Amino acid sequence: GQQVMQIPQYQHVQEGEDFTTYCNSSTTLSNIQWYKQRPGGHPVFLIQLVKSGEVKKQKRLTFQFGEAKKNSSLHITATQTTDVGTYFCAPDFGNEKLTFGTGTRLTIIP
Amino acid sequence: DAGITQSPRHKVTETGTPVTLRCHQTENHRYMYWYRQDPGHGLRLIHYSYGVKDTDKGEVSDGYSVSRSKTEDFLLTLESATSSQTSVYFCAISGDLRVNEKLFFGSGTQLSVL
Repeated sequence: GQQVMQIPQYQHVQEGEDFTTYCNSSTTLSNIQWYKQRPGGHPVFLIQLVKSGEVKKQKRLTFQFGEAKKNSSLHITATQTTDVGTYFCAPDFGNEKLTFGTGTRLTIIP
Repeated sequence: DAGITQSPRHKVTETGTPVTLRCHQTENHRYMYWYRQDPGHGLRLIHYSYGVKDTDKGEVSDGYSVSRSKTEDFLLTLESATSSQTSVYFCAISGDLRVNEKLFFGSGTQLSVL
């Protein structure tokens, strides 16, 4: 079936360190979206990647889509306490519904 | 935030009882989804709707049914609740994913089945 693996499941970093989460699919994707969920909150859309090899930046966040459109990553530079939460990738296999990765929970040590 | 409301926000019920969760939107979006969230599993799709009276199953649909009689309302029913259905349930809405629309989520319903 169409599945995606997201790693790591948890990441604890010192404030100021970098953070990366990866999303890997066994099949080619139409596009991929990324969401952030703060503790106790609901997922909120961050960005969508559509093109092969695409790289997008939002301040300290860098999103990449692989050349084969099977993997993606989210990198945060110099983490801050406001970055705490769970980050989900949501690959679109082109079938009217979004599946989600299992998420990476980021905790920050001040 | 998008106009999407889930009710109730919290529900405690007993095994074997029926439960209905409601999702209401004011955005006139075509697509509506029900996800459940459990530790270690992320968000898993239960059912979704692509129009009034048009619904389809997601990856974890067993034990759940849905109905959409109006564009703005999407109901999720647990016919006979079980303890394994204790979870946080999120409703989401979107325009057409085929043209790269994003999902907007409701605030969630915490359901406990005792």
